Amino acid sequence: DSGVTQTPKHLITATGQRVTLRCSPRSGDLSVYWYQQSLDQGLQFLIQYYNGEERAKGNILERFSAQQFPDLHSELNLSSLELGDSALYFCASSVADRGQYEQYFGPGTRLTVT
Amino acid sequence: DQQVKQNSPSLSVQEGRISILNCDYTNSMFDYFLWYKKYPAEGPTFLISISSIKDKNEDGRFTVFLNKSAKHLSLHIVPSQPGDSAVYFCAASALNFGNEKLTFGTGTRLTIIP
Repeated sequence: DSGVTQTPKHLITATGQRVTLRCSPRSGDLSVYWYQQSLDQGLQFLIQYYNGEERAKGNILERFSAQQFPDLHSELNLSSLELGDSALYFCASSVADRGQYEQYFGPGTRLTVT
Repeated sequence: DQQVKQNSPSLSVQEGRISILNCDYTNSMFDYFLWYKKYPAEGPTFLISISSIKDKNEDGRFTVFLNKSAKHLSLHIVPSQPGDSAVYFCAASALNFGNEKLTFGTGTRLTIIP
């Protein structure tokens, strides 16, 4: 158990809909990262938040947005969903300082768009 | 543009022998490297990391070697155990450039044969 929790575990929705994925980081971790793993592909970085502020952006679509709340949990919002958005979405967290940069991953949310 | 490459999609090793997983990278700004292990339906689990100021890091049965001039790293698992059967991802980041996001390889599926 990495200490990172993600809900829901599975999500099935229709094209055009909007969903919210939730992540709670490990206790003490200030950084939260979101990654997408599509079928037969490696993990692709989407976005990073550090202590409530956006820190880095990767290949995140404009239809997707994220935020990190004062209690450090994070939400990834996916809107106008398309079939191609079906993927595993992972959240990771890290201390991101004091020489410790390992990221610890949650179990993921499997999103299926039909 | 695949900046982190794992050229062997799969590897089979006899139990008790050494497993060697390889990874190559192209971005010279990468200065921190990690290996993750992933079981089906779970998030990646952090195994071991290495900073570019080192060329070797050991943790129990796992050793990571870094050859900066060749832009190559490898993970050695000795002795290999059946529980090591999983997909292994190498990942890299450019911490000295303030970039903590991880760039992942596409993974190598390791199968340990009893």
